[in-house]
Amino acid sequence: DAGVIQSPRHEVTEMGQEVTLRCKPISGHNSLFWYRQTMMRGLELLIYFNNNVPIDDSGMPEDRFSAKMPNASFSTLKIQPSEPRDSAVYFCASSFDGANYGYTFGSGTRLTVV
Amino acid sequence: SQQGEEDPQALSIQEGENATMNCSYKTSINNLQWYRQNSGRGLVHLILIRSNEREKHSGRLRVTLDTSKKSSSLLITASRAADTASYFCATASVPIDGLTFGKGTHLIIQP
Repeated sequence: DAGVIQSPRHEVTEMGQEVTLRCKPISGHNSLFWYRQTMMRGLELLIYFNNNVPIDDSGMPEDRFSAKMPNASFSTLKIQPSEPRDSAVYFCASSFDGANYGYTFGSGTRLTVV
Repeated sequence: SQQGEEDPQALSIQEGENATMNCSYKTSINNLQWYRQNSGRGLVHLILIRSNEREKHSGRLRVTLDTSKKSSSLLITASRAADTASYFCATASVPIDGLTFGKGTHLIIQP
């Protein structure tokens, strides 16, 4: 298995633009998580899905953020409109069964909003 | 929300020495997990210890859990330069919750 695949690896965009981050979880994993990492706040859980259904999106900072998981092999995190304070590394992770097992993280998307 | 807090924030030791990192948390947990993150990379799962376990080993890693003190420790024996990384503990109250991560311990192994 190629692991959790995220794209793009780097994204530089101008303030106000729409940004879409993509994630392909490990086949057979039924839980998917989106995290954001910054020096100031560390790792923050944004949203997670179980069997493609959003379970908790209380970590999503604002209505500008949205996430979808249309099927078991694909998820997107969208920011519209983007702001400079959204600059961070965004990680996607998947697991076999929630927190009963360890998570497998992708390599992350480094987002810079200028 | 509960959060693991690692201690120390940074640790620098000589290659070959043992490294010990600690994690404290606030509420009851289902399990506690340790992860490693190399600079510019994603996190890598190291070990999971369940609330009814007290100690677990994996290679050069030894994890202990004291639920009465709400604390855990990660010991890396015979450290190597390649162990240089940030180490995070993560907890969840129930399996359906997402893991909450601490701020991490930055470990530097000096050759």
